[in-house]
Amino acid sequence: EPEVTQTPSHQVTQMGQEVILRCVPISNHLYFYWYRQILGQKVEFLVSFYNNEISEKSEIFDDQFSVERPDGSNFTLKIRSTKLEDSAMYFCASRADLGMNTEAFFGQGTRLTVV
Amino acid sequence: GQNIDQPTEMTATEGAIVQINCTYQTSGFNGLFWYQQHAGEAPTFLSYNVLDGLEEKGRFSSFLSRSKGYSYLLLKELQMKDSASYLCAVGTNSNYQLIWGAGTKLIIKP
Repeated sequence: EPEVTQTPSHQVTQMGQEVILRCVPISNHLYFYWYRQILGQKVEFLVSFYNNEISEKSEIFDDQFSVERPDGSNFTLKIRSTKLEDSAMYFCASRADLGMNTEAFFGQGTRLTVV
Repeated sequence: GQNIDQPTEMTATEGAIVQINCTYQTSGFNGLFWYQQHAGEAPTFLSYNVLDGLEEKGRFSSFLSRSKGYSYLLLKELQMKDSASYLCAVGTNSNYQLIWGAGTKLIIKP
C-alpha cells in the first residue's frame, strides 16, 4: 500500500540552527501539507502546497519557515533558525485531489527537539 | 472564528460501546473527518461525512448533522487496541486545510 514517508524520524538540534525535514508524498498525489503537533496539544496546520507553490499557510508559518519540492518526489520543510518552541512532531500529508471524501494520508512524523 | 470542540478524555470498558461527540463552527464546510491517533504516531483516517446521517464502517460509525454543527463517532465492541486519541477535523470552503479539534483521548479498561 502506498504511504507517505518522512525522514528523519527524530532530530535534535540546537537553538538557532537550521533544520530540513523531508517527506516523500504518495506518488500520484497533488496536494501536500505540513502539520505540527506540540506534545499533548492539537494538530496544527502549517502550510499547503499545490502546483509548485504555497496554496495556504497559517499564522505559525512565518518567515522562518519555507517549503520546497526540489524534484518530483521530495517535499521539504525548512526552519531557518530554530527556537525552543519549534519542538514538536511534524507531520507531512498528501491528498490525491480536493474532491469529496478525499482523505489526507499522513507520514509517521519527525519528532523535532530543539535544545 | 473557527472552532471545533470535543471532550478531552473518555473512559469505556472493553466490549462496550462509546460515542465521541464533536461540535464545530467554521467559516465553511466541505465535510467532516474522523482520525485515530495512537500516542507518538501519525493520525490515520477513519471516516468522512459530508451529508447528514450515519455512515457505518465495521465497528465504527460516524454521524453528521450539518444544521446543528454536530458529529459523533460511535465505536462498538471496544477492544483494548482502540485506546487512542480520536480527532475530529473539518474541511473548510478552501479545502486546502483541515481545521482540527484537540482530540478525545479514549481509555479502554478491561
